[in-house]
Amino acid sequence: AQSVAQPEDQVNVAEGNPLTVKCTYSVSGNPYLFWYVQYPNRGLQFLLKYITGDNLVKGSYGFEAEFNKSQTSFHLKKPSALVSDSALYFCAVRWTGRRALTFGSGTRLQVQP
Amino acid sequence: SAVISQKPSRDICQRGTSLTIQCQVDSQVTMMFWYRQQPGQSLTLIATANQGSEATYESGFVIDKFPISRPNLTFSTLTVSNMSPEDSSIYLCSVSQGTTNEKLFFGSGTQLSVL
Repeated sequence: AQSVAQPEDQVNVAEGNPLTVKCTYSVSGNPYLFWYVQYPNRGLQFLLKYITGDNLVKGSYGFEAEFNKSQTSFHLKKPSALVSDSALYFCAVRWTGRRALTFGSGTRLQVQP
Repeated sequence: SAVISQKPSRDICQRGTSLTIQCQVDSQVTMMFWYRQQPGQSLTLIATANQGSEATYESGFVIDKFPISRPNLTFSTLTVSNMSPEDSSIYLCSVSQGTTNEKLFFGSGTQLSVL
């Protein structure tokens, strides 16, 4: 079955430290991969996507993600976390032949000052 | 990028009633989707709103409960019918543009509470 997993419900990191939010997906064709962020009382905002090409994708607000085909992972990273990065992060996958996205369960990122 | 206006932003409804949520986009879009985000959970796709034809529903969602209209390329409605407390969720309209633009844009959502 097609699925996307975010194994961590919450990630805590100190401001200025690097952060990683994990995402893995089940193998089926060549999926498109996305990261979205949701701030309190606001809609989802697009961060970045991987379609093809360079495995390291750079997105908004200094975030980047690395596509690893052998590990079927698409982890979100940022070299230096900010308190304002605290939010709910969703990994999403668009499977071949579908236009809608399938979302992971979400990871709450908490950056402490 | 598409600008999506979703109304109402929130509502409190009585059990057994129905609520219609509107989604208006500032430009013509290829695809429109309706998602549900239950408290503390991820987004679940309800259906794809097809322009000029019946919506395509995901497993577990039916037209009688969630009728959808899409009369043109900029507007869609989702109705939550015969509501129960289990329908309390955030309902999100989402769109994609063109045939090559892969990302989805989301409205700010409708927070529904059913008493």
